Amino acid sequence: GQQVMQIPQYQHVQEGEDFTTYCNSSTTLSNIQWYKQRPGGHPVFLIQLVKSGEVKKQKRLTFQFGEAKKNSSLHITATQTTDVGTYFCAGISSGSARQLTFGSGTQLTVLP
Amino acid sequence: DSGVTQTPKHLITATGQRVTLRCSPRSGDLSVYWYQQSLDQGLQFLIHYYNGEERAKGNILERFSAQQFPDLHSELNLSSLELGDSALYFCASSLRLEGRGLNTEAFFGQGTRLTVV
Repeated sequence: GQQVMQIPQYQHVQEGEDFTTYCNSSTTLSNIQWYKQRPGGHPVFLIQLVKSGEVKKQKRLTFQFGEAKKNSSLHITATQTTDVGTYFCAGISSGSARQLTFGSGTQLTVLP
Repeated sequence: DSGVTQTPKHLITATGQRVTLRCSPRSGDLSVYWYQQSLDQGLQFLIHYYNGEERAKGNILERFSAQQFPDLHSELNLSSLELGDSALYFCASSLRLEGRGLNTEAFFGQGTRLTVV
């Protein structure tokens, strides 16, 4: 079945440093989504990428979808303490199943 | 408010017992997913239902079962509970028809925190 792998599992950064998490799928995706889960909260949708090579930005967050539509990345520039949480990618398979498969998440800690 | 309702929010029960967790998806969403999240861990996929039918199973134990009803709400049944089943159980709904086609964004409920003692 479809597998989505995410690295790293944990990341500690000093406030102001950059952060990147990577997502790789075993199969081609029709789209990739990113979610953020704050400590004690539930995952919340951030963004969706659909096109091959697509790049989207949300303030300090930059999301990329690979040319082969099998990988993606989330980059945060100049992290702030409000960025703390776990970031999940989730891929929708290209087939008709429309199965949403989540990566294992990257837990980001930002040290003040 | 995500529009996904999970009940109860907290549940404390003894080993060997059976519990039922309930999820009401967002109006119009056809898919329901169940996830288990242990402390500081990722989302472990349990099961996916689409319009009343089981679509995919993940790492779901045989002691666990689920179903989606005609009104699209879903229940997750956990039986013969063990200490290791203590976790946060999330339900997420997804897949709705909108003007431009299918919207696959997932909305999560607040979760049910299960504590087995």
